[in-house]
Amino acid sequence: EAAVTQSPRNKVAVTGGKVTLSCNQTNNHNNMYWYRQDTGHGLRLIHYSYGAGSTEKGDIPDGYKASRPSQENFSLILELATPSQTSVYFCASGELGGRQDTQYFGPGTRLLVL
Amino acid sequence: GEKVEQHESTLSVREGDSAVINCTYTDTASSYFPWYKQEAGKGLHFVIDIRSNVDRKQSQRLIVLLDKKAKRFSLHITATQPEDSAIYFCAASRGYQGGRALIFGTGTTVSVSP
Repeated sequence: EAAVTQSPRNKVAVTGGKVTLSCNQTNNHNNMYWYRQDTGHGLRLIHYSYGAGSTEKGDIPDGYKASRPSQENFSLILELATPSQTSVYFCASGELGGRQDTQYFGPGTRLLVL
Repeated sequence: GEKVEQHESTLSVREGDSAVINCTYTDTASSYFPWYKQEAGKGLHFVIDIRSNVDRKQSQRLIVLLDKKAKRFSLHITATQPEDSAIYFCAASRGYQGGRALIFGTGTTVSVSP
């Protein structure tokens, strides 16, 4: 099975601070995704990428930036963290639309912004 | 915008009974419908999927049905066991700029009692 890892697993940040969440996948998937999970909303797509150097906006990109420096790594950046960004963040990789549609998820990062 | 509605927020069943979770989607172009399971404090784990070229798929005790006309799909967990207790998410593929991603329902908490 595809391996997706995330770091840190837990993070406490202060309002206005910068937060970087990291994701690594080892299965050479072109596509990577960042979601946040909130009660009553399920998972919502923040940013995604179709390969190194590319990032695209998802459904809720405001307040977030993304970076895909390599095939394996995809970061989510909160330049000025706000309490409304307190959530659980999941990274995923996969090849939607290809022979294998399945997305593989990381274990999640719990972010608390005080 | 496009969305996926997951109709049951909670489901309580007795061990051995069946559990059914229903989802509807709005994007007529959706062609791939996976289901994920999330155990407490963990990430999402793929359990089963169905593509739009079929209307039924079974994997062991899991059955997925797809009604494209009604834009409805459902997960049937038969002969439930306590280890089936978890949150289940339905999802549907949708187009984004340059490719595809998943849009998720809000999750159903399934509790299986002995």
